[in-house]
Amino acid sequence: DTAVSQTPKYLVTQMGNDKSIKCEQNLGHDTMYWYKQDSKKFLKIMFSYNNKELIINETVPNRFSPKSPDKAHLNLHINSLELGDSAVYFCASSPFRSYNEQFFGPGTRLTVL
Amino acid sequence: ELKVEQNPLFLSMQEGKNYTIYCNYSTTSDRLYWYRQDPGKSLESLFVLLSNGAVKQEGRLMASLDTKARLSTLHITAAVHDLSATYFCAVVPYNNNDMRFGAGTRLTVKP
Repeated sequence: DTAVSQTPKYLVTQMGNDKSIKCEQNLGHDTMYWYKQDSKKFLKIMFSYNNKELIINETVPNRFSPKSPDKAHLNLHINSLELGDSAVYFCASSPFRSYNEQFFGPGTRLTVL
Repeated sequence: ELKVEQNPLFLSMQEGKNYTIYCNYSTTSDRLYWYRQDPGKSLESLFVLLSNGAVKQEGRLMASLDTKARLSTLHITAAVHDLSATYFCAVVPYNNNDMRFGAGTRLTVKP
């Protein structure tokens, strides 16, 4: 049973397109996150979200928006994709905001051409 | 702003040798995490350190936390090839709940 799953695993698209990445967790966790890992392997938090509060990293462009239909899902929508958006995006979840360890999904490798 | 610094960033070592990876952070925290990432894979939780003086061991890896020095170490004993991976430390500061990662240490263990 996959704890945190993401789809798609690979996403190749053209500049200017709009795309979404889906994330689901079956751990019953309250909080979910999106991270971006660049080509140098540096991990940066983009959003953290529970059913009450969305925290946005101020450096994230407003072209990125998380959407949560329910506690088990946190999707990432990206508008007007740019070359610099190419990266691996990881979804994660934890029982409570960051107090406990976070469990990561398999990642989505986004390539913008 | 919280800074989390790992060193070394790259580490090549022979099998059977010992080495330590260091993680320094710049703000008050008592929550520190170590993760492992294999190439092309996701992050796997290794250790959760939640108090000053915490020490945890799993196989050939041992992690410790000194909150007064704002330092965590990941010690590798008698390295084997299977330990080759990138190791990240991550810190959650007192004043917010967002986890900040170090740059990672890319470990290569050679036979």
